[in-house]
Amino acid sequence: GQQLNQSPQSMFIQEGEDVSMNCTSSSIFNTWLWYKQDPGEGPVLLIALYKAGELTSNGRLTAQFGITRKDSFLNISASIPSDVGIYFCAGMLYNFNKFYFGSGTKLNVKP
Amino acid sequence: GAVVSQHPSRVICKSGTSVKIECRSLDFQATTMFWYRQFPKQSLMLMATSNEGSKATYEQGVEKDKFLINHASLTLSTLTVTSAHPEDSSFYICSARGGLGNSQETQYFGPGTRLLVL
Repeated sequence: GQQLNQSPQSMFIQEGEDVSMNCTSSSIFNTWLWYKQDPGEGPVLLIALYKAGELTSNGRLTAQFGITRKDSFLNISASIPSDVGIYFCAGMLYNFNKFYFGSGTKLNVKP
Repeated sequence: GAVVSQHPSRVICKSGTSVKIECRSLDFQATTMFWYRQFPKQSLMLMATSNEGSKATYEQGVEKDKFLINHASLTLSTLTVTSAHPEDSSFYICSARGGLGNSQETQYFGPGTRLLVL
């Protein structure tokens, strides 16, 4: 099946620092989604991207749909303790009926 | 954003019993619903895809007779874990796919159900 490579697997940063994580694939996707999951809860949608090159922000979060349509990144600026959680990317192939998920990036923020 | 509810949020049952989990899209009609399983510290594992009024499509390695899926309406899907065993203990999450009627579709997740089989 399709594989999304998400990196890094985990990050330990200081409060106030900026964070960047990305997902890559060998296939071309027409939709990229970024989610955050807190322990014991379902993933919450952060940003949705639908066009190659699209750059979208949601507060301190910014995500981009790569020009090649094979990658996407998520940036978090000025991190705060409540940013702690696991971030997942998800991509959908054109004309396919499901999203493929990355393995997640676990973010730890030290106050 | 769109809301997906899941019930119950956690359930403890005895080995051999069946457990039903409900997933509802509250403010939109979901063309497709998905059921995932998540083990601790791991990513989401897709179990099956269901479309309203048709049989679910199961991923390789997922037992159809073990995990029964019913997609009764555009807002409700149920997952029944039949004859549950301790190895079925896991976090089950549903998601509903909705869109704007064009190519911009998104997937919204429920809050998950923690199943513990004793």
